[in-house]
Amino acid sequence: GAGVSQSPSNKVTEKGKDVELRCDPISGHTALYWYRQSLGQGLEFLIYFQGNSAPDKSGLPSDRFSAERTGGSVSTLTIQRTQQEDSAVYLCASSLGLQSYQETQYFGPGTRLLVL
Amino acid sequence: QKEVEQNSGPLSVPEGAIASLNCTYSDRGSQSFFWYRQYSGKSPELIMFIYSNGDKEDGRFTAQLNKASQYVSLLIRDSQPSDSATYLCAVRRGGKLIFGQGTELSVKP
Repeated sequence: GAGVSQSPSNKVTEKGKDVELRCDPISGHTALYWYRQSLGQGLEFLIYFQGNSAPDKSGLPSDRFSAERTGGSVSTLTIQRTQQEDSAVYLCASSLGLQSYQETQYFGPGTRLLVL
Repeated sequence: QKEVEQNSGPLSVPEGAIASLNCTYSDRGSQSFFWYRQYSGKSPELIMFIYSNGDKEDGRFTAQLNKASQYVSLLIRDSQPSDSATYLCAVRRGGKLIFGQGTELSVKP
């Protein structure tokens, strides 16, 4: 079946512009996660959703970052007034749910963001 | 101290050898542990997970967990050049995964 999909695959923007990144989880997966991977920082958690609610937003680095999920499916991560330090690969993952500590997360291909 | 620590490598092994990748974690209450493989320019792909003390085997891969020592490892038997990648250890905390920095593995033909 189809895996996690993300769009765009690459995004180049100018400092100060807003960007929207989209994630479409695996069909039937109720939990959705956003991570960021940058050189020297490794893979860091941003936010996750269970259904349409976000129980944990602790990883969002500033109030310029926000995310929403509607209909329990597609999610959008928005970065306002982008800065050069926002340049990274933004990865989305999904899992069946959160009921079990055995739940495994499956990653999408990522969106490579470059802020000039 | 980072929550999840791995040797960054690179770890170089000859083809056919056993590669041993190690990971330690700081939260003693952690319940589940994951190994992901990431090829350059690609996203992480799950290799296996473990949540009980001891060994778990899947093909050429064996995960080992020692909760008393807060240590988890991944052994790759009969290493192949196609195993060359970065291996990420992750610990589940709440709903999220906390990742180590990853160990780069290079398998030489």
